Amino acid sequence: RKEVEQDPGPFNVPEGATVAFNCTYSNSASQSFFWYRQDCRKEPKLLMSVYSSGNEDGRFTAQLNRASQYISLLIRDSKLSDSATYLCVVKGVNLGADGLTFGKGTHLIIQP
Amino acid sequence: NAGVTQTPKFQVLKTGQSMTLQCAQDMNHNSMYWYRQDPGMGLRLIYYSASEGTTDKGEVPNGYNVSRLNKREFSLRLESAAPSQTSVYFCASSELGGRVFSNQPQHFGDGTRLSIL
Repeated sequence: RKEVEQDPGPFNVPEGATVAFNCTYSNSASQSFFWYRQDCRKEPKLLMSVYSSGNEDGRFTAQLNRASQYISLLIRDSKLSDSATYLCVVKGVNLGADGLTFGKGTHLIIQP
Repeated sequence: NAGVTQTPKFQVLKTGQSMTLQCAQDMNHNSMYWYRQDPGMGLRLIYYSASEGTTDKGEVPNGYNVSRLNKREFSLRLESAAPSQTSVYFCASSELGGRVFSNQPQHFGDGTRLSIL
């Protein structure tokens, strides 16, 4: 099982719709979780951290399910500008210091 | 307010040539990282530096060396470039790294696109 798995998509969603995607992780000792956004040919940028109790930032909601080892991202009232690749990032005990493991990303296309 | 600055942004090399990718951050972060991103592979950690004076291997260190020159700067060197090293290279930094629990996010530079012919 890969360490961090995401559906690569693409998810084609009409503007204004709600879209959600999940990410599963294999290391039960993983400690911190993030969603990053990456636009085409640009650097990844932090979208939001994911907390155990779930958290919301405007139209974005992140959830963590430790028992099933997945995190999710929900985007409400989607905008054209939400089109991007969303990277699931997990911090575990691998790779020493920070042990950040990146998923390969889910490609989201918001259509007018 | 530069954040993480990488140079060069683009480079084409011939097999066997050497070069150094430069990275500097102005956020007073302790930890710095080098990643490569290839199509279908996601980001993979090459080397990192948890703090000034330390460096450690990541997931894919072969063919690379690094130098943490000071707190601000972390360079990546390809001693003898190979076509398999064609990739987009990202430098990142975070405030607190090391073997402690931390949910400090990483901030990325805008990448170096490197082609090895």
